[in-house]
Amino acid sequence: GQNIDQPTEMTATEGAIVQINCTYQTSGFNGLFWYQQHAGEAPTFLSYNVLDGLEEKGRFSSFLSRSKGYSYLLLKELQMKDSASYLCAVRVVSSASKIIFGSGTRLSIRP
Amino acid sequence: GAGVSQSPRYKVTKRGQDVTLRCDPISSHATLYWYQQALGQGPEFLTYFNYEAQPDKSGLPSDRFSAERPEGSISTLTIQRTEQRDSAMYRCASSLSMDNEQFFGPGTRLTVL
Repeated sequence: GQNIDQPTEMTATEGAIVQINCTYQTSGFNGLFWYQQHAGEAPTFLSYNVLDGLEEKGRFSSFLSRSKGYSYLLLKELQMKDSASYLCAVRVVSSASKIIFGSGTRLSIRP
Repeated sequence: GAGVSQSPRYKVTKRGQDVTLRCDPISSHATLYWYQQALGQGPEFLTYFNYEAQPDKSGLPSDRFSAERPEGSISTLTIQRTEQRDSAMYRCASSLSMDNEQFFGPGTRLTVL
């Protein structure tokens, strides 16, 4: 079966750093996405990792270890507008190809 | 188009009725996805298209659900004989290919009474 795990909720302080973890057990793994979703809005793309390692994009970085089935999203210099759900999604390829989302991590930023 | 659009934005229907939801993807995008999203959950894959081909429809919950993309652009998702458990947000997304980021539409909120 396909399984993606991420914490349900996290809280962090404005200006701080937070790491959101995602672990997956899937067959046919072919890449991992992170999306941000504000309440009542559509998800928006943050990052895509195919190879092991860290990819940095401004205040956001994403890490992937394929051997461990593990990824994290690192958010630096947190701002109040970063309060949102963060969705981990895995692309799997078998006879066809599809993208499976985790349930999301709801991040609350306090002043 | 400038982004992915969906219509209607809200649909209220009675149990047993058929509904059709529409998705207008970004014009250059080959790949189009349909998801169902419950409140507080991540999007759940229903099906996807590469142009007009539908390689995977394993996520469709039952044979009451079907999707089309006859000309490789606009897509429709049809739910026949709706049930209350079909009430959810239905999201469409498109991308250049499966290796590229998905752009999501605003969704259609379906309520089955």
